[in-house]
Amino acid sequence: KAGVTQTPRYLIKTRGQQVTLSCSPISGHRSVSWYQQTPGQGLQFLFEYFSETQRNKGNFPGRFSGRQFSNSRSEMNVSTLELGDSALYLCASSPDSSYNEQFFGPGTRLTVL
Amino acid sequence: AQSVAQPEDQVNVAEGNPLTVKCTYSVSGNPYLFWYVQYPNRGLQFLLKYITGDNLVKGSYGFEAEFNKSQTSFHLKKPSALVSDSALYFCAVRDINSGYALNFGKGTSLLVTP
Repeated sequence: KAGVTQTPRYLIKTRGQQVTLSCSPISGHRSVSWYQQTPGQGLQFLFEYFSETQRNKGNFPGRFSGRQFSNSRSEMNVSTLELGDSALYLCASSPDSSYNEQFFGPGTRLTVL
Repeated sequence: AQSVAQPEDQVNVAEGNPLTVKCTYSVSGNPYLFWYVQYPNRGLQFLLKYITGDNLVKGSYGFEAEFNKSQTSFHLKKPSALVSDSALYFCAVRDINSGYALNFGKGTSLLVTP
């Protein structure tokens, strides 16, 4: 079974631009979560989608948004990029149960100049 | 809020020696605890989890973790470390107030020397 895939793997943007990251979950997984990883703040939860609905949201500004499609694929968008948005963005998928672990993709490394 | 703490930024151990990476938790209710490992420029790989049942949980790559309710700890252990175990290790707790979100510790860098 293929793992979680994320595209692109690397991105370089400039301040003020916007960016869209994509995530394809493991087949059959309907829950997709996004995390931001930075050296200073560690791993922080962004949001979680299930059946095309945002089920939970972390403490991030409205510039960060996402969506999920009917095939469970998910995208996240960051508008008006700031230098501090430079990070590794990780997507994780899981079956719909609180007992299940999440399976992570390799991440998208975003650099904002 | 559900949270975990990893008190050590780095753990150094010689190859062949036992290793322990520490994690303590603070939760309301029953904890759902996880350990993940991250290699450079890679995503997180699941190692093991504690949901309920036996306090000693066995996971991937020879790792195990001991759940201790009285000490609110969930330390990761391995009887004999390998150089290839060198990586960043994260403890996490499921935040039941935020659906299936995981709250991660800061991570512990494990260095195994030959």
